[in-house]
Amino acid sequence: AQSVTQLGSHVSVSEGALVLLRCNYSSSVPPYLFWYVQYPNQGLQLLLKYTTGATLVKGINGFEAEFKKSETSFHLTKPSAHMSDAAEYFCAVTRSGGAQKLVFGQGTRLTINP
Amino acid sequence: EAQVTQNPRYLITVTGKKLTVTCSQNMNHEYMSWYRQDPGLGLRQIYYSMNVEVTDKGDVPEGYKVSRKEKRNFPLILESPSPNQTSLYFCASSRATTNEKLFFGSGTQLSVL
Repeated sequence: AQSVTQLGSHVSVSEGALVLLRCNYSSSVPPYLFWYVQYPNQGLQLLLKYTTGATLVKGINGFEAEFKKSETSFHLTKPSAHMSDAAEYFCAVTRSGGAQKLVFGQGTRLTINP
Repeated sequence: EAQVTQNPRYLITVTGKKLTVTCSQNMNHEYMSWYRQDPGLGLRQIYYSMNVEVTDKGDVPEGYKVSRKEKRNFPLILESPSPNQTSLYFCASSRATTNEKLFFGSGTQLSVL
């Protein structure tokens, strides 16, 4: 069965610094991987997704993630943090069976220090 | 505007009093799902539906019911709420294919006293 582990429930960076949010997955079949963002008092929005093809995926707001099969990882990065990036971030993987049944990680709350 | 609408946004109730949280989408999506969000646990799937009259259990279905009589609506029913169902609930929808993104509602914060 698929599962997702996000390392670090809280990450704090300075404005302008690199953002790195870690996600490792387990899957017995090639996975589809997603990053969602949740701003305060809102629902989740898709940041980016990996399905097939290029392993470096670019998303909205300057975020990108790289699928590394050998490391079973899908870490999210952004070169320069902005105050508006403060939010909770969720990594997710689809289950086997072909249906749209996402399994979410525990979430990482990102704080940006001025 | 494409959206998923949940109501109510906030709900406080007492143990055992039946309640329904409504969810409606205007994108003609086949797939709809309910999640609960609890601190440190991320989002856990309660029930999902692949189409009208087709529903199935997710990871945490105990104490919940759903129905899908119309394509656009997917209400979540708590027939006898208990305090451990205090949580933030999200409805989501998408097209039916595996790698489609989910569209989420704004959430319902439920407190069961």
